[in-house]
Amino acid sequence: QQPVQSPQAVILREGEDAVINCSSSKALYSVHWYRQKHGEAPVFLMILLKGGEQKGHDKISASFNEKKQQSSLYLTASQLSYSGTYFCGTGFGNEKLTFGTGTRLTIIP
Amino acid sequence: NAGVTQTPKFQVLKTGQSMTLQCAQDMNHEYMSWYRQDPGMGLRLIHYSVGAGITDQGEVPNGYNVSRSTTEDFPLRLLSAAPSQTSVYFCASSYSERTEAFFGQGTRLTVV
Repeated sequence: QQPVQSPQAVILREGEDAVINCSSSKALYSVHWYRQKHGEAPVFLMILLKGGEQKGHDKISASFNEKKQQSSLYLTASQLSYSGTYFCGTGFGNEKLTFGTGTRLTIIP
Repeated sequence: NAGVTQTPKFQVLKTGQSMTLQCAQDMNHEYMSWYRQDPGMGLRLIHYSVGAGITDQGEVPNGYNVSRSTTEDFPLRLLSAAPSQTSVYFCASSYSERTEAFFGQGTRLTVV
C-alpha cells in the first residue's frame, strides 16, 4: 500500500517554509525521503530508522513519529533549488520499499 | 563509478511486441527493484529482488516478468506490450530497505 503524502502540491516564495507529510496505514520500519527534478531520477535526501528520530542537513530536516505511523519533511527558508517533486518511501521490514504519490514543490522568486 | 545503469533510455513499441529493459548495478547491492512512474501516481513498485535467485511481486506486477541470475543484473521483461504500459520505468538498488536507494536514469517507454 502506498503511503499518503500531503499536500499534493505547494507553491512558495523564496525564503518561505514548507512541511510535507507522509502517513501510512501500517507500522513503519523505515522512512526515506527523495527529491526528483523534472526529467531526472529521484535523489536521496535522508532516511529515518527509529521512532522519534530527527535528521537534517542544510535547511532540510525530517522527523519520524512511529506511533502515528507518519513522517514529516521540513524545508526552511526555501531556495529556488528546492523546487521539484518530493517522495517519501516506506519500508515495513520485508525489503519492499513503497513510495507515495509525491508532493510537487514550486519555489518562485 | 557507474552506479545503476538502465538501457535503453527511450523506446517505442507496438502493441503486442515484447522487450526487455536492462538494469545493472556495480555496487554489490543485494536489493534491486523496478518502479513505474505515471503522472499523479508517484512511483509504483512492479517487482523487487532481495538477492540472486529471489524475486517477488510489488504493487503492479501484471504484464511484467523478472529474474535475477546475478547480483549485478535485474532485467524487466514485457511479454506483450499494451498501451497501459506506457510509462517511465526506474530501476533502483540498495543494500537493504534501511539504506539509501540509488536510481537509474530511467527508461521512457511508449506503446502505440
